[in-house]
Amino acid sequence: DAGVIQSPRHEVTEMGQEVTLRCKPISGHDYLFWYRQTMMRGLELLIYFNNNVPIDDSGMPEDRFSAKMPNASFSTLKIQPSEPRDSAVYFCATNPGTSGGMLDTQYFGPGTRLTVL
Amino acid sequence: GQNIDQPTEMTATEGAIVQINCTYQTSGFNGLFWYQQHAGEAPTFLSYNVLDGLEEKGRFSSFLSRSKGYSYLLLKELQMKDSASYLCAVRFSGYSTLTFGKGTMLLVSP
Repeated sequence: DAGVIQSPRHEVTEMGQEVTLRCKPISGHDYLFWYRQTMMRGLELLIYFNNNVPIDDSGMPEDRFSAKMPNASFSTLKIQPSEPRDSAVYFCATNPGTSGGMLDTQYFGPGTRLTVL
Repeated sequence: GQNIDQPTEMTATEGAIVQINCTYQTSGFNGLFWYQQHAGEAPTFLSYNVLDGLEEKGRFSSFLSRSKGYSYLLLKELQMKDSASYLCAVRFSGYSTLTFGKGTMLLVSP
C-alpha cells in the first residue's frame, strides 16, 4: 500500500483565498483524522471521520474551516477565507479501527505545509 | 483535561543512552504510543504499550507504569539520525482519538 497520500505538499496563498487540502487514506482504514501542527501548539486534532461520517469536529478552530469525506477513498479540508494565522502543517492520518490495541495506531500522511501571506 | 507532559528538549551524545519521559492522567487510560518525527516529515509509529513493563524493539525500548501514569522511551547507542522530535500519545477509554503531547526535541551531537 502507498500509505496515506496528501496533496498538495506545499501551498502558498494570499490572505482571503480559499485553500483545499486533500487526503487519500490507506485502503480499508475506517478512521480518518485531520491535524494541524505548529511550533506553539503542537499537534492539534481538528476533526475525525468514521466510515466517512464526521464524528467530532470540536477541534475545528472556526467556521472558516470545513471538512468532507464523500467516500472511503477521499477527504478534503477547506479553509475559506484563509488568514495568516492558519499557516501550519496539516496532517491527515488514518487507522484501521478502534477496537483497541494496535488497531489504534495512526498512520500519517506526509502533510501539507500551508503558508498564508 | 487530558494533559500529556513531556520535556521540551533534550540533548545527548552519539553512542550514549537517553530516556524521554511522558506523564499522563491515569483515569480512563487505554494505551500509549510513541512516535518519531524528523524535521519536515510526518510522525511515524515507534511503539505501543498497554500493559505495565518494558517493550523492546532493537535500540528502542518503551516502558509503562499504569498506576503512576508514566512512560518512558529509551534510546540506546544513539546515532545522529536519532535527532528528531519524539511524541507521546495516549488513548483514553471512550474516545476514538489519541491525545498527543507536544513532543520532545532530541538533539544528538557528535
